[in-house]
Amino acid sequence: EADIYQTPRYLVIGTGKKITLECSQTMGHDKMYWYQQDPGMELHLIHYSYGVNSTEKGDLSSESTVSRIRTEHFPLTLESARPSHTSQYLCASSDHRDYEKLFFGSGTQLSVL
Amino acid sequence: GENVEQHPSTLSVQEGDSAVIKCTYSDSASNYFPWYKQELGKGPQLIIDIRSNVGEKKDQRIAVTLNKTAKHFSLHITETQPEDSAVYFCAAKDTGFQKLVFGTGTRLLVSP
Repeated sequence: EADIYQTPRYLVIGTGKKITLECSQTMGHDKMYWYQQDPGMELHLIHYSYGVNSTEKGDLSSESTVSRIRTEHFPLTLESARPSHTSQYLCASSDHRDYEKLFFGSGTQLSVL
Repeated sequence: GENVEQHPSTLSVQEGDSAVIKCTYSDSASNYFPWYKQELGKGPQLIIDIRSNVGEKKDQRIAVTLNKTAKHFSLHITETQPEDSAVYFCAAKDTGFQKLVFGTGTRLLVSP
């Protein structure tokens, strides 16, 4: 079944640790996105990619970085996590033929102590 | 760029009642308006969308209406059920950046 997967679902780490949040999709979508969702529910676009080797920063400034080496994989990395990075991170993808329709993963809830 | 406002932030209804969530947008050139439903512990899921050349669209118990002149659109849920309880997001396509801009979300609670 075509889907979009995020791992881990929950992550609790200490300040200063390097972390990578994984996102993979099996739908062959060329566009992928990372959203940060704060406790107030708002969705903030932090990174997006229109294809392999393409990455752009979103509307909300983020200290995280992303890479897109393979079509299906769009990992997000924090070099040195801080408590201010505590949030829900949602990955999404869309197809270039219908790019407006986003498919979201279930998210990673990150807590930095 | 596009700006989307959504109201109310929370909405409580009794099972069987109707629920209405309203959104306004700023960019008159926006032409695509989706609605997403986010259940607890899951990512948002597209439930219905409408384009600017259509005034209303229905899918069973849910409907979306669009008023281009006033730049607002609404989600209508009839005969609400407890499983409709979730957070609902409206969005509009930013024609300049070709990305979706989301509203701030509405937490809907349907009580049995």
